Amino acid sequence: AQSVTQLGSHVSVSEGALVLLRCNYSSSVPPYLFWYVQYPNQGLQLLLKYTSAATLVKGINGFEAEFKKSETSFHLTKPSAHMSDAAEYFCAASSASKIIFGSGTRLSIRP
Amino acid sequence: DAGVIQSPRHEVTEMGQEVTLRCKPISGHDYLFWYRQTMMRGLELLIYFNNNVPIDDSGMPEDRFSAKMPNASFSTLKIQPSEPRDSAVYFCASSLIMNTEAFFGQGTRLTVV
Repeated sequence: AQSVTQLGSHVSVSEGALVLLRCNYSSSVPPYLFWYVQYPNQGLQLLLKYTSAATLVKGINGFEAEFKKSETSFHLTKPSAHMSDAAEYFCAASSASKIIFGSGTRLSIRP
Repeated sequence: DAGVIQSPRHEVTEMGQEVTLRCKPISGHDYLFWYRQTMMRGLELLIYFNNNVPIDDSGMPEDRFSAKMPNASFSTLKIQPSEPRDSAVYFCASSLIMNTEAFFGQGTRLTVV
């Protein structure tokens, strides 16, 4: 069965520091992969998606993610954190049937 | 397009009452998903439709939960009777085709007292 694992339910970084949110997927077939962001009292918004074209995917708000098949990973990064990046981030995978979400990582930004 | 529209945004009801959540997907999207979000269980897929037909309802927790999609522009999720443990945020999402991104509504925050 397909699954998505996000390491770290809470990540805290200083403003201006590198953001790294980890995601690993479990699938016999490389799935379509997504990162979503959820701000308080809002729905989920797509940050970026991997659909087997380029392995390095650029998204909105300066985020990017790299698909590494050998590591079954799709980690999300941003070179310099901004206070407005504070939110919950979800990794998701879709393969033939339904979209499965990870448990989410709450990102906090320290001034 | 206005995006996925859910109503109501907030619902407070007493245990035992019937609750109906509503969703209008993005026009032209063939897939519609209902998710439930709680602190304990995260985001759970309850059911999804393709072209108004329920495809997978294995995530529906109990027979108290039912979902319908009478036409391409409207879906409902009904809980009857409601219980306090049903308190959660319920999201509706739609997508153009499978394996593309899902667009989420703002959610309905349900509180059962």
